[in-house]
Amino acid sequence: GNSVTQMEGPVTLSEEAFLTINCTYTATGYPSLFWYVQYPGEGLQLLLKATKADDKGSNKGFEATYRKETTSFHLEKGSVQVSDSAVYFCALNQAGTALIFGKGTTLSVSS
Amino acid sequence: GVTQSPTHLIKTRGQQVTLRCSSQSGHNTVSWYQQALGQGPQFIFQYYREEENGRGNFPPRFSGLQFPNDSSELNVNALELDDSALYLCASSSGHLQETQYFGPGTRLLVL
Repeated sequence: GNSVTQMEGPVTLSEEAFLTINCTYTATGYPSLFWYVQYPGEGLQLLLKATKADDKGSNKGFEATYRKETTSFHLEKGSVQVSDSAVYFCALNQAGTALIFGKGTTLSVSS
Repeated sequence: GVTQSPTHLIKTRGQQVTLRCSSQSGHNTVSWYQQALGQGPQFIFQYYREEENGRGNFPPRFSGLQFPNDSSELNVNALELDDSALYLCASSSGHLQETQYFGPGTRLLVL
């Protein structure tokens, strides 16, 4: 079945450091891929998405490229801020029903 | 956006609970997820045009409704301690639309 694997956290960075959170997936066919972010005590916010191979999703300085050959969708940001501290979830969706999530990666950024 | 009520709820084992969700304007598909502490969300079920459109690996005591105004309810009977979690509602704009937008969630504690 479909699944998503994320790097385990927590990830601890200093402000302005480069961020990478790895995400790989297993799926039949061509799913859409997503990154969601969850701030403490809140629901999930859509951060970015990509719907086909080689698409790059971007938002608020975050980027991720849909790599079909490596079944990956790694999240990157060139310079993190304290306000980026949150839990990040990689997810896939196929045919518009269930989102399949990874376990989440906690990011902590210190000033 | 998507709204949910109540924000927090405390119940005892064996009781029944109803959680409510109002979809984002123009969205006619609603999905429910359970997020245990420290885990990624797990798909419970989805409703489209008042019919169940997919279900995850949850027992029948988890049931739902979608109303003509696209609002939705999640009902859980015979509550168990393991039902303690954040329950998230997500809406999307139509059948087979893969981008889902989440509400803030209802945090349920079962004692």
